[in-house]
Amino acid sequence: KAGVTQTPRYLIKTRGQQVTLSCSPISGHRSVSWYQQTPGQGLQFLFEYFSETQRNKGNFPGRFSGRQFSNSRSEMNVSTLELGDSALYLCASSYRASNEKLFFGSGTQLSVL
Amino acid sequence: AQSVTQLDSQVPVFEEAPVELRCNYSSSVSVYLFWYVQYPNQGLQLLLKYLSGSTLVKGINGFEAEFNKSQTSFHLRKPSVHISDTAEYFCAVSETGTASKLTFGTGTRLQVTL
Repeated sequence: KAGVTQTPRYLIKTRGQQVTLSCSPISGHRSVSWYQQTPGQGLQFLFEYFSETQRNKGNFPGRFSGRQFSNSRSEMNVSTLELGDSALYLCASSYRASNEKLFFGSGTQLSVL
Repeated sequence: AQSVTQLDSQVPVFEEAPVELRCNYSSSVSVYLFWYVQYPNQGLQLLLKYLSGSTLVKGINGFEAEFNKSQTSFHLRKPSVHISDTAEYFCAVSETGTASKLTFGTGTRLQVTL
């Protein structure tokens, strides 16, 4: 069974641009959660989607948004990029919403110049 | 809201020695507790979790942790470490109703040497 797949693996953008990251969950998993990992702030929860609906949201500005498609794949979008958005963005999938069994992908490393 | 404190940012240890990584949490509601491991350039892998029941939890790779409610601690232990255990270890907590919304500690770098 394939694991959680995140694309792209690395991304370089400049300030002010926008970016879209993709996450394909494990087959059969319907919930996708997103986390941001930075050296300064550590790991922080962004949001969770289940059945195309946002179920939980962390304390991030509105520039961070996401969505989930009918096949459970999820995308995360960051608009008007700032230098502080440079981070490893991790996606995790689970069979159902608010589930304690999370499977993480290897992440997308975003660098904002 | 919850918070997690990992008291040691780095723990150096020799191979085959025992190790304990410390974790304390704070919460006003019932919580689940987790330990995750992150190897370089990889995502997080669940080592073990405490949901309820026995306070001693056994996980993968020979790790175990003990939930202590009175001391609000969830320390991770391994009786004999291997070079391959070198990694970053994260303690995390979640409310029981929103288990996928994890609050992480700042991590402990376990460095195993010969």
